[in-house]
Amino acid sequence: GAGVSQSPSNKVTEKGKDVELRCDPISGHTALYWYRQSLGQGLEFLIYFQGNSAPDKSGLPSDRFSAERTGGSVSTLTIQRTQQEDSAVYLCASSLVLLAGVNEQFFGPGTRLTVL
Amino acid sequence: DQQVKQNSPSLSVQEGRISILNCDYTNSMFDYFLWYKKYPAEGPTFLISISSIKDKNEDGRFTVFLNKSAKHLSLHIVPSQPGDSAVYFCAASDSGNTPLVFGKGTRLSVIA
Repeated sequence: GAGVSQSPSNKVTEKGKDVELRCDPISGHTALYWYRQSLGQGLEFLIYFQGNSAPDKSGLPSDRFSAERTGGSVSTLTIQRTQQEDSAVYLCASSLVLLAGVNEQFFGPGTRLTVL
Repeated sequence: DQQVKQNSPSLSVQEGRISILNCDYTNSMFDYFLWYKKYPAEGPTFLISISSIKDKNEDGRFTVFLNKSAKHLSLHIVPSQPGDSAVYFCAASDSGNTPLVFGKGTRLSVIA
C-alpha cells in the first residue's frame, strides 16, 4: 500500500506480559516516529529514527519501552512487563527528511493497546 | 508542562459558517506549526502548515494565522461543511525534521 501501515490494529494483553507493535513506513521515507495517545490527551512523542543516526529516545516513558528499525524500513516498538497505564493508541508516522521547510509526517491508523 | 495548548476541547458550528480553532504555545524556539485532522479509528492526516516567517497561509477553505508575539495561531475553516467534523490537532516543532509537539485537540462538530 501507499500509506503507513501498523499491526495489529488492536491488542489486548494482561498486565506483566510483553507486546510488540509493528510499523511499515512509506517506502523512501527515512524518518520514522512513534507517538502514543492516551485517553483525552494529545499525541505524545516516544522515539524518532532518522536514517542511520542514533535514534532519539528522549520521549520513552520508561526502560520497559524500546524500539528498533531494521534495514531503515520496518520498525518494532516493544513494551515489556506491560502496565495498565500503558493502555493507549500507539501511532507511527514517517516522513522525508527535508533540507528546509516543514516535514509532513504521514501517520498510520494506530494500534490500540489495552492492558487488563 | 504543556508546550502546545488547545484550550477548547470542543466546538460546534453550523454548516456554511466559519470555524475558528485556536492554539497557543509557550516555546519560543518553535519555528513550524502544523494542523492535523483526525477521524475516529484513523491516524491524523496533515491539513496545513505555516512557518514562523509567515503570518498567514491559505489552502482552499483552510487558512492558518500565526501571531508570533502572542505565541498564538488559529485555523479558520470557511465555509464549514459536515465532513469537516473531526478532531483537530495543533502541532509544533523547532525545525523541519524533528518530532512534533501536539496539543490535546479540539473536536469540531459541523451541524447541517
